Amino acid sequence: DSGVTQTPKHLITATGQRVTLRCSPRSGDLSVYWYQQSLDQGLQFLIQYYNGEERAKGNILERFSAQQFPDLHSELNLSSLELGDSALYFCASTRDNPEGEQFFGPGTRLTVL
Amino acid sequence: GENVEQHPSTLSVQEGDSAVIKCTYSDSASNYFPWYKQELGKGPQLIIDIRSNVGEKKDQRIAVTLNKTAKHFSLHITETQPEDSAVYFCAARGTGAGSYQLTFGKGTKLSVIP
Repeated sequence: DSGVTQTPKHLITATGQRVTLRCSPRSGDLSVYWYQQSLDQGLQFLIQYYNGEERAKGNILERFSAQQFPDLHSELNLSSLELGDSALYFCASTRDNPEGEQFFGPGTRLTVL
Repeated sequence: GENVEQHPSTLSVQEGDSAVIKCTYSDSASNYFPWYKQELGKGPQLIIDIRSNVGEKKDQRIAVTLNKTAKHFSLHITETQPEDSAVYFCAARGTGAGSYQLTFGKGTKLSVIP
């Protein structure tokens, strides 16, 4: 157990809908990273938050957004869902210094029908 | 940006044999190289990592080597066991703009045959 929690574990929804994925980092970790894992693209970095503020963006679509709350949990919002958004979404947390390892949560499997 | 290539994509070994997975990276500024193991239905689990000031690191049956000049690093698993069967990912990380995001290879599916 990495100490990072994610909910829900599975999510099935229809095209055009909006969903919210939740992540709670390890105790003491200020930074949360979101990654998308699909069969053809592998693990891709989406966005990073550090202590409530956006710090870096990767290959994140404009339909997707995220935020980090004062208690440091983070939410990833996916809207106007398309079939191609079906994937595993992971968050990872770290103490975000040169020595900080990233620990991944168990992921949310999103299926868009 | 950083690009990480990983080979092979699949690897089958007999139990007790060794397995080697290789990765190359493009950004010479990258200085941290973790390896993750992902079992079916689970998130990636950090199994070993190496920093650019070290050439080799070992943890029981697992070792990682780094060649900064050639920009490649490898994972070595000795005396493989069936529970080593999983997908393994290499990654590279730089220090750009205060973000420590990881760039991953595409993964290697390791099957250990009893």
